[in-house]
Amino acid sequence: DAKTTQPPSMDCAEGRAANLPCNHSTISGNEYVYWYRQIHSQGPQYIIHGLKNNETNEMASLIITEDRKSSTLILPHATLRDTAVYYCIVRVGGSTLGRLYFGRGTQLTVWP
Amino acid sequence: DAGVIQSPRHEVTEMGQEVTLRCKPISGHDYLFWYRQTMMRGLELLIYFNNNVPIDDSGMPEDRFSAKMPNASFSTLKIQPSEPRDSAVYFCASREIEDNTDTQYFGPGTRLTVL
Repeated sequence: DAKTTQPPSMDCAEGRAANLPCNHSTISGNEYVYWYRQIHSQGPQYIIHGLKNNETNEMASLIITEDRKSSTLILPHATLRDTAVYYCIVRVGGSTLGRLYFGRGTQLTVWP
Repeated sequence: DAGVIQSPRHEVTEMGQEVTLRCKPISGHDYLFWYRQTMMRGLELLIYFNNNVPIDDSGMPEDRFSAKMPNASFSTLKIQPSEPRDSAVYFCASREIEDNTDTQYFGPGTRLTVL
């Protein structure tokens, strides 16, 4: 079962920041938060991940609260091509490879 | 790199027929995953391999489904006999063992329709 809760849908104006929230109140100390997205008719695509500290890459920023019970994915300047379903995933298990449980995600719609 | 390659991209078959889906992972990747996506159940992990060996097949729905990885460059997912409820998009993904980000790279998927 997915260990995360996300709003089913959000929208955002093009050029504005998109802030996608995720709750993971039962996260364990050794579990990472991952974000993937799935553009219509394509396979999921990795965006970013983090453990405790905030992370940033060329695609997005990830803000994790100090208690690690929630996080926010930030797309600083959303474009129409960012319209997709965004999945927040907590990697389950302490092994090197954990199963990735994809919940329902958040459908982000970026409008012109 | 061409990424993960899946074939066919679309498959339409009749109930009772055998279906074989194919996947070529990214060269050098040690893990291979098969997922199924439906509107009802979302994206589900069916099975994954490490170095061509099946590690966890607990997601395989029933004995009609089987997966093989004869070498590091090729995997198949077979459904025999197929049923209408098997209609879904099937994704293959791969990952390299040295990748600390635990990133999985997904293929474009095979859309299966069983009539």
